Formats: sequence, structure tokens, C-alpha cells
Amino acid sequence: GAGVSQSPSNKVTEKGKDVELRCDPISGHTALYWYRQSLGQGLEFLIYFQGNSAPDKSGLPSDRFSAERTGGSVSTLTIQRTQQEDSAVYLCASSLDTGSYNEQFFGPGTRLTVL
Amino acid sequence: AQKITQTQPGMFVQEKEAVTLDCTYDTSDPSYGLFWYKQPSSGEMIFLIYQGSYDQQNATEGRYSLNFQKARKSANLVISASQLGDSAMYFCAMREGRGGNKLVFGAGTILRVKS
Repeated sequence: GAGVSQSPSNKVTEKGKDVELRCDPISGHTALYWYRQSLGQGLEFLIYFQGNSAPDKSGLPSDRFSAERTGGSVSTLTIQRTQQEDSAVYLCASSLDTGSYNEQFFGPGTRLTVL
Repeated sequence: AQKITQTQPGMFVQEKEAVTLDCTYDTSDPSYGLFWYKQPSSGEMIFLIYQGSYDQQNATEGRYSLNFQKARKSANLVISASQLGDSAMYFCAMREGRGGNKLVFGAGTILRVKS
């Protein structure tokens, strides 16, 4: 069956440009998460969606970062006026619900490089 | 304060031997879940094993087992009969019951299996 997919797999952009990263969760998964992994680091939570709403945006590092989810499915993470410190792998995960055992299935990630 | 601590940046193990990867956590929430993920060089995050805070028994999944010591707040991963394919980065993560559904990750441990 189809897992979580993300596009593009790699994105190189110039400082100051806007980028959009896409996540397509597993069909039927109501919860969707964005994480960021900087070089050699663990994963840092960015934002969580339940359906189309985002009850937890606490991890977004600045107002240059925003995300939306439409139709309870696909999500887009937008970074405006990219900076070099935004360079990282952006990982998306989805899960069935928010119950006590809530295995998150991860996508392959988008590697963002800001020159 | 660090919520998840993995004190071993890197570990070596001989093929077919067992290895323990350490993880300690910090939470005041009585309801939480602990997860281990494997990240091979391909970058994909692979779920390995889950332990709930109220689970009476230590979790096991094939060659993976979790040595859960609640009073010490530790959740060490034990891999038995190591294989070359086990070489990867391993992350311990925690989900707090009332802290939303995000996962908080440790810094990871790189495991190298020697033949």
C-alpha cells in the first residue's frame, strides 16, 4: 500500500525565495505532522494537524513558516524569504488518530538547501 | 530541560551479538508513550517499537525489545543477534499524554555492526 509521500525530494533555492513543500499522508490518516531534521541532529517538531485544523503550531520557528492542510489530506509547508539556517530535511508523518498508541508513519523527506 | 537523552553518540557491535542503546526521558505527565525509530542512510524513519507508560510488560518486536524501567525513567532498546543491516541511526522519542501528539526526539545514536 502507499505510504506517506513528499515532494519534491530535493529543493535547492536562493536565499530570500519562497518554497513550498508538499506532503501526501496515508489515506485515512487524520493526523499529520511536520518535523525538521538539521544535519546530524534529531527531529524537531514544527506543526501538527488534526483534520484541517492545526491545534499545535508551537514548533514553527518564525512567522516565515506556515502550513495548511486541505480536505483532511494533502498538506503544504511554506517557507517565505528563506534563510540559510532553513537548510534541513523536512519530514512529514501521519497517523490514524490521536489515541494513546499513535504510531507515526514518516515520509522520505524533502531535503532543502538554501544557498 | 532535555526531555529525551541519548548519551551514546555512537556504538559498535559485533555481528550476531546483542546491543543496548540507552534512552532516558523526563516528564511529569503520568500518561506517555515511548517510541524507537531507525533511520538508515537512506533517510527513511522506520518505526521499531512502542512502550506505553501504563504497560505492565516490556515491549518486544522480533529482535527488538525495550527495557522499560519506569522509576528510573529509562527506556533502553535492546537489539539481539545484530545484523549488518542494523547499522543505522536510532532515535528514541516520547509522546506526552497532555502535551499534544507531537513526538519529542532524542539526538540519536549511530550504531555500526561489524562483521
